[in-house]
Amino acid sequence: GESVGLHLPTLSVQEGDNSIINCAYSNSASDYFIWYKQESGKGPQFIIDIRSNMDKRQGQRVTVLLNKTVKHLSLQIAATQPGDSAVYFCAENMSPNSGYALNFGKGTSLLVTP
Amino acid sequence: DTAVSQTPKYLVTQMGNDKSIKCEQNLGHDTMYWYKQDSKKFLKIMFSYNNKELIINETVPNRFSPKSPDKAHLNLHINSLELGDSAVYFCASSHGGDAEAFFGQGTRLTVV
Repeated sequence: GESVGLHLPTLSVQEGDNSIINCAYSNSASDYFIWYKQESGKGPQFIIDIRSNMDKRQGQRVTVLLNKTVKHLSLQIAATQPGDSAVYFCAENMSPNSGYALNFGKGTSLLVTP
Repeated sequence: DTAVSQTPKYLVTQMGNDKSIKCEQNLGHDTMYWYKQDSKKFLKIMFSYNNKELIINETVPNRFSPKSPDKAHLNLHINSLELGDSAVYFCASSHGGDAEAFFGQGTRLTVV
C-alpha cells in the first residue's frame, strides 16, 4: 500500500550544527505534508507544513523542502539545540475517504550532543 | 487551556476487561481522530470522526469503538482487552482536510 518512510532512523548532531531529516513518500496524489516533533512522554507537536504547490517553506529555524519529482520531503533545523532532541515524523494527508487522517512515516530520533 | 486533552494518562488493566479513554478538544474543530502508537513509535490512524460520519481503519478490531457525545468529544471504548492492545493511544483534532492536527498527550495502555 501507500507509505511514507524515512531514510535514517537515528541522527546524532552536535549542538550548533544544522540537522537534516529526510522522508520519502509514495502517494503521488498527496497534496499536504506535515512535520511533527514528539518528545518523550508527549504527543506529536506540529512543526511546519507544506502544500504540494510549494517546494520550500521556512519557519523559525526550520525549513521544509518538497521535491515532488522524486517524492521526497526534508526538514532542516538550523543551529540545532539540545531542546531539539526528539523523534521527528513526516506525515501526509490521506484522502477524504479516509477522513483526512494523516499517514505517518516511521520517525527519526534526533539526538543533540553538547 | 489544553487544546486536546485525554484521560487517563496511564491505564493498566487485565486481559478481558473493558475500558474507556476520554478525549476532549476546545479548538472548535470539526474532525477528531484516534491514533495508536506501538512500541516502535509507529503512529497509525484508527478512526476519523467528522459531522457524525465515522471512518474506520479496516485493520482495527471491532472491539474498539469510538463514541462522540458531542462535537468536542470523541471517547474510545475497548472491549475484551488483549495483550496486543498495549500501546499509546493518541486523540487528535483538526479543521478538516489540509490542516494540521493537534494531538493530546497520549494514554499509555498496558494490558496484563
